[in-house]
Amino acid sequence: DIQLTQSPSSLSASVGDRVTITCRASQYISSYLNWYQQKPGKAPNLLIYAASILQSGVPSRFTGSGSGTDFTLTISSLQPEDFATYYCQQTYSTPRTFGQGTKVEIK
Amino acid sequence: QVRLVESGGGVVQPGTSLRLSCAASGFTFSSHAMHWVRQAPGKGLDWVAVMSYDGSNKYYGDSVKGRFSISRDNSEDTLYLQMNGLKDEDTAVYYCARDTDIAAGGKGGRLDYWGQGTLVTVSS
Repeated sequence: DIQLTQSPSSLSASVGDRVTITCRASQYISSYLNWYQQKPGKAPNLLIYAASILQSGVPSRFTGSGSGTDFTLTISSLQPEDFATYYCQQTYSTPRTFGQGTKVEIK
Repeated sequence: QVRLVESGGGVVQPGTSLRLSCAASGFTFSSHAMHWVRQAPGKGLDWVAVMSYDGSNKYYGDSVKGRFSISRDNSEDTLYLQMNGLKDEDTAVYYCARDTDIAAGGKGGRLDYWGQGTLVTVSS
């Protein structure tokens, strides 16, 4: 099975900060990597798919990059509504594993 | 609009069975692979299972393989998860989610719509 390791596990940031979350796969997954945002008590919401394609309706301050084994989710200017937990998921093979999550908290 | 509504959760004892349902509406259910994803209290997302658009292919996460079974009824626009031999560690909110792809095990796809989840608590 493919393991996904996110870093950091949590971070504290202020509104307006640039935030970067990384996701490393245990083996090559090309660009088959999606990012989700989850707020407390809510279902996850798709942000980025195929490593770098912005899902319709998602603000352009979210960008994804990477391929192979190393991937990045960047929020260019953190907004109050962005405080949440972020997960990566690989769609290269089954089982469709998720990273352990990165919690973005208010500093 | 796309809507996914899970039901069937509850409190059950270890070793027992439970069947979850996910009623879909607002899209052509038979044109999408469908997934179950769970989340234990305070923990991260755990992928459970996927079934292809026509039910011909299905795959499971390691922690549920041999105990859980995914199925669908395209005439009723409903996805199911039969859970047998439940363990304490199966306690979680169970979400169903729509894949943009029709296939179950191919490369790609994304989960673009999710239900609100149903809570399963396994406890003696």
